[in-house]
Amino acid sequence: DIQMTQSPSSLSASVGDRVTITCRASQSISSHLNWYQQKPGKAPKFLIYAASNLQSGVPSRFSGSGSGTDFTLTISNLQPEDFATYYCQQSYSTPRTFGQGTKVEIK
Amino acid sequence: QVQLVQSGAEVREPGASVKVSCKASGYTFISYDITWVRQAPGQGLEWMGWISPYNGNTNYAQKVQGRVTMTTDTSTSTAYMELRSLRSDDTAVYYCARVVVAVGAGGGWFDPWGQGTLVTVSS
Repeated sequence: DIQMTQSPSSLSASVGDRVTITCRASQSISSHLNWYQQKPGKAPKFLIYAASNLQSGVPSRFSGSGSGTDFTLTISNLQPEDFATYYCQQSYSTPRTFGQGTKVEIK
Repeated sequence: QVQLVQSGAEVREPGASVKVSCKASGYTFISYDITWVRQAPGQGLEWMGWISPYNGNTNYAQKVQGRVTMTTDTSTSTAYMELRSLRSDDTAVYYCARVVVAVGAGGGWFDPWGQGTLVTVSS
């Protein structure tokens, strides 16, 4: 199974900050990497596919990059509604696996 | 709009079974696989497997293989996930999601997700 490791596990930031979350795969997954956002008590929401492609309707302050084993999710100009937990997920092979999540909290 | 609506919360004793439903609307049901993902309290997301409503083909995670059965009813656009021999560590919110695949865009993603079904296993 491909292991996905996110860092940090949590971070504190202020509105307007730029935030970067890293996701590392245990083997190369090309660009087969997706990102999701989850708010407390809610289902995950799909944000980015194939490492860098923004889902329709997702604000442009979200961006993704990377390939191979190292990926990043960047949120520029952090907004109040962005405080949530973010998960990466590889779509290279089964079983599909997720990172452990990164909780973005208000400083 | 594309929507997945799941059945309500369930409480089961250890050793029992549970069957969760996921009703799809707003798209052609047989054109997209349905996946199931669970989340234990305070924990991350765990993929359980998926099913093709088109031909019934399934792919289960090894962790639940032998205890899980995923099915679909194309007449009602509903997917089901049955988990047997329940244990306390099966307590979780169970989500269904549509699997979207685009040519040249990786192996697919999960969108949208159902609202989740809490399954509590307790004696």
